[in-house]
Amino acid sequence: DAKTTQPNSMESNEEEPVHLPCNHSTISGTDYIHWYRQLPSQGPEYVIHGLTSNVNNRMASLAIAEDRKSSTLILHRATLRDAAVYYCILRDTSDTSGTYKYIFGTGTRLKVLA
Amino acid sequence: NAGVMQNPRHLVRRRGQEARLRCSPMKGHSHVYWYRQLPEEGLKFMVYLQKENIIDESGMPKERFSAEFPKEGPSILRIQQVVRGDSAAYFCASSPGPPRGTEAFFGQGTRLTVV
Repeated sequence: DAKTTQPNSMESNEEEPVHLPCNHSTISGTDYIHWYRQLPSQGPEYVIHGLTSNVNNRMASLAIAEDRKSSTLILHRATLRDAAVYYCILRDTSDTSGTYKYIFGTGTRLKVLA
Repeated sequence: NAGVMQNPRHLVRRRGQEARLRCSPMKGHSHVYWYRQLPEEGLKFMVYLQKENIIDESGMPKERFSAEFPKEGPSILRIQQVVRGDSAAYFCASSPGPPRGTEAFFGQGTRLTVV
């Protein structure tokens, strides 16, 4: 049911930027793009979300393609604490069922090398 | 502002017993979601509740599982007559509602072990 596609795993060196891609070719006009991450033995942690424009916050940046069929989560300087599974999720705010539930895919496991 | 609180963090039950998992949403949040995560797998949606209402239970097993979110108090996920296959991490999330683009916040989970 997941409507996004992400690489299973990626590696990055510490202190370097990381670009985590996500494809969502079936995105609709009302779908927000959300990113969460899950550190080992913890609950998912909200990272960032956006609709059409690029977004920045203290944790990361979200770059959204002009056609919205893909997006990239950017960690500007990876640290060992950023090692986690990153999930890209579409959340339909026009959901007629009124659920607005998140459907998690398998995510990208990010490994940060010291 | 405290985050989503789940308790207990760890729960051990013998086969056939009942498990009760509690979730207190963030202050001001009236929407609660429950998810289950089996070892080495992703999160699977179970149920979505608002105060005193079940909105979507499409992910709930048909038997032994139930959820509630009373007017007062935490949301409860109840598993009756637990079996080994119920061993998993159970996460709840809360959000203020369905305004456009709001995010949900997750608790640290309850890890259920059935022996």
